[in-house]
Amino acid sequence: GQNIDQPTEMTATEGAIVQINCTYQTSGFNGLFWYQQHAGEAPTFLSYNVLDGLEEKGRFSSFLSRSKGYSYLLLKELQMKDSASYLCAVMDSNYQLIWGAGTKLIIKP
Amino acid sequence: DSGVTQTPKHLITATGQRVTLRCSPRSGDLSVYWYQQSLDQGLQFLIQYYNGEERAKGNILERFSAQQFPDLHSELNLSSLELGDSALYFCASSVASDRVHAEQYFGPGTRLTVT
Repeated sequence: GQNIDQPTEMTATEGAIVQINCTYQTSGFNGLFWYQQHAGEAPTFLSYNVLDGLEEKGRFSSFLSRSKGYSYLLLKELQMKDSASYLCAVMDSNYQLIWGAGTKLIIKP
Repeated sequence: DSGVTQTPKHLITATGQRVTLRCSPRSGDLSVYWYQQSLDQGLQFLIQYYNGEERAKGNILERFSAQQFPDLHSELNLSSLELGDSALYFCASSVASDRVHAEQYFGPGTRLTVT
């Protein structure tokens, strides 16, 4: 079967750095997406990785290792508004998105 | 604003009833996806349409059905509603097809409460 694993919840301090991991086992691979979702709101696209390595976008970076079936989202200089759920999703060989359950990130002052 | 619109924003109805949720995709997007998200749960993929045709099915109950019209808007029909159907229903759109991969853009959702 297809599976995406992420930690259920993480806590970090304002101004610090946090890394949210995602491991996957899917039928084929056509890229990995990270989305941010604030409570009660729609998910919004953060990043897309299809090749190994690090993609940096401001305070957020996303890393992919296809051989290990592993990705992480790195958030730097954490702000209170970064409190949200972070969803990892993998596009399989049929171009279908397989979604993880999400990681709830709690930022403390 | 993602460019995806959903109506209504909120819906309160009784068990056993039937409702229709509507979604208009971003201009130019041919794919529409429907998701269900219960309180504090992950996104559950229901169904995908591409240019009017059903493309993929997820965990969609037989009581639920959907369609995509020639103008590309989509409707999700939920019937014989149960208390457990109370959830946020999201629509998303993308340019994705069998050969193109692209991010999905989500609408604001419809919050359905079944009493």
